[in-house]
Amino acid sequence: NAGVTQTPKFQVLKTGQSMTLQCAQDMNHNSMYWYRQDPGMGLRLIYYSASEGTTDKGEVPNGYNVSRLNKREFSLRLESAAPSQTSVYFCASNLDRDYGYTFGSGTRLTVV
Amino acid sequence: GESVGLHLPTLSVQEGDNSIINCAYSNSASDYFIWYKQESGKGPQFIIDIRSNMDKRQGQRVTVLLNKTVKHLSLQIAATQPGDSAVYFCAENIRGGADGLTFGKGTHLIIQP
Repeated sequence: NAGVTQTPKFQVLKTGQSMTLQCAQDMNHNSMYWYRQDPGMGLRLIYYSASEGTTDKGEVPNGYNVSRLNKREFSLRLESAAPSQTSVYFCASNLDRDYGYTFGSGTRLTVV
Repeated sequence: GESVGLHLPTLSVQEGDNSIINCAYSNSASDYFIWYKQESGKGPQFIIDIRSNMDKRQGQRVTVLLNKTVKHLSLQIAATQPGDSAVYFCAENIRGGADGLTFGKGTHLIIQP
């Protein structure tokens, strides 16, 4: 049972480049989330998907897009990367809003 | 601003002592709280949760206390071990708000031998 799997683990982009961060969970969870974590700070919600076919903005959605491809997969896309998007990105999932969230191990993204 | 915060950025304790990590929240509509442990280079790991209809919940070596009157949450770790060294975050779900947790900034727990 792998839990939440994120790819890639590390990425360096040049300003203006695009990329997609992948996330998959094998726990049959309904909800999935993308967070970013900056140094010395807690996690901030970028986007979430309460169920397959729905997505909603979180606290810091600007510069990102998401796709809930199916129940298992939730991807995060940066269309034109900026240095301010240098961060560690975490994907999470849970069965319902009032149940513990399971996090992936993160993607470390640097934009130069 | 943030709804959830922590009183101390760093907490240093002796191995074997009990640790208490505190968290204050400001949104009275918060109805579900979770404590996470994050080790260097890893994702947050679930420790324990508590719902707003409870005051206390116990796990293995950990206890979470919730005081809704003063909007305060604490995590107690008994007999602290070297493996407990990590950053601890409290997080909340706000009833009627967007799905997803709101996190505090974290407390770095350092274990002294």
